Amino acid sequence: EVQLLESGGGLVQPGGSLRLSCAASGFTFSSYTMSWVRQAPGKGLERVSGISGGGDTTKYADSVKGRFTISRDNSKNTLYLQMNSLRAEDTAVYYCAKKSVPGSYYFDYWGQGTTVTVSS
Amino acid sequence: QSALTQPRSVSGSPGQSVTISCTGTSSDVGDNIYVSWYQQHPGKAPKLMIYDVSKRPSGVPDRFSGSKSGNTASLTISGLQAEDEADYYCCSYAGSWVFGGGTKLTVL
Repeated sequence: EVQLLESGGGLVQPGGSLRLSCAASGFTFSSYTMSWVRQAPGKGLERVSGISGGGDTTKYADSVKGRFTISRDNSKNTLYLQMNSLRAEDTAVYYCAKKSVPGSYYFDYWGQGTTVTVSS
Repeated sequence: QSALTQPRSVSGSPGQSVTISCTGTSSDVGDNIYVSWYQQHPGKAPKLMIYDVSKRPSGVPDRFSGSKSGNTASLTISGLQAEDEADYYCCSYAGSWVFGGGTKLTVL
């Protein structure tokens, strides 16, 4: 059974930093592209970052480029999101999501999410 | 890339059918088959309901179906049930990921 368990969320002041983690199990973690998708309160979904299975390719939404860094440790089956220079508009639930097999593009499994609140 | 356009809300009675539209452009929805749909109950994680425009993952009832015409994709739910009440999001991939704004489905 595929499981994705996020952690690391919390309350942080504007300009602060936070590191999110996502522990994966139930599949060959290193074989799959992983993403972070966020949802601001009462809003829709936004894919903020993605990383290839080997970690050599990363992508970022313009809204977080230069401030967030995605990484993974395949030996620990764990995905990370380092968030720096946080802004109020980064307040959201952050979901870890597994991308489909190569050849298609959808998120087949999602974690339960971790809440990030940026406020003074 | 702009968000895909979905109606803010739709509603239907138990047993009826509803269709949720998702309008993009020739650069996203109209470009390929990579349209997916997600169901989200309050306080829960999104769940994949449809992928590649019209394919259903294992375990998703066949009451859920997807289609596409030009730059507009659609999710149809037939035989509405109370548990279908949720938010629904479409998503398109064409070099980058873009989601719709979400549609709240109310089962009357």
